Amino acid sequence: NAGVTQTPKFQVLKTGQSMTLQCAQDMNHEYMSWYRQDPGMGLRLIHYSVGAGITDQGEVPNGYNVSRSTTEDFPLRLLSAAPSQTSVYFCASSYARLARHHYEQYFGPGTRLTVT
Amino acid sequence: AQSVTQPDIHITVSEGASLELRCNYSYGATPYLFWYVQSPGQGLQLLLKYFSGDTLVQGIKGFEAEFKRSQSSFNLRKPSVHWSDAAEYFCAVGAVDMRFGAGTRLTVKP
Repeated sequence: NAGVTQTPKFQVLKTGQSMTLQCAQDMNHEYMSWYRQDPGMGLRLIHYSVGAGITDQGEVPNGYNVSRSTTEDFPLRLLSAAPSQTSVYFCASSYARLARHHYEQYFGPGTRLTVT
Repeated sequence: AQSVTQPDIHITVSEGASLELRCNYSYGATPYLFWYVQSPGQGLQLLLKYFSGDTLVQGIKGFEAEFKRSQSSFNLRKPSVHWSDAAEYFCAVGAVDMRFGAGTRLTVKP
C-alpha cells in the first residue's frame, strides 16, 4: 500500500513552460486535493475533487487546471508557468466512510517546483 | 467562508516546559478541526482531530487539543515539550475543501 505518491519530487521550469504534476493514491479514497505551501502562508488549497469526473476550485486556482478521470489519479497542470508558482505542492486524499476518519487528509511527499 | 488564524508565527519554549499553540477558526457549521505537524523538509503528519463528542481530544506524541465553540478556538497543548517536538504546526478546518492556518514554528531550547 503506497498511500499517496507524487512525481516528480523536484522540477525546474522556465517561465511559460507547461507541465503536469502527477498524484496517485491506492487507498480507494473518494476525495483528493492539491495544495501549495509557501513560507509564512501555510497550505493553500488549489483544487479539489469529490470523485471521478467532479472537481472544484479552492482558494488559489488561477494558473492551474485539474481533471479526475479515475478514482486513483488527480494530476495538476500548469499551462504557462510563472515565477509566482514557485512553491512546494502537496497532493492529499481523504474519505468519509468511517466517521472517526472523516476527511482526515493523507498527504503525499510533495513536489518542489521552481520557475525561473 | 471558512478560515483559520494562528496568531503566533514563532514560539520558543524550553525543553520540559508546557506548550500551548493557539488556533481560531471561522466556519458556518460544526467544524471538522485538525492539527498537523511538519518537521523540516518533511511532509505533514496528523496529530489529532475533532469532529464531534468530547471537546478535549487526545492525539499522538502526548498532544491534546480543546474545542471551545464559544471562542471559536481549537488550541493545541502539551504538558512537557521534548526537543524532538521542534517543527511547524498547522491548524486546519473543513472537510474536502480544507483550510489551513499559516502555521506556528516551534523552537525548543535545551
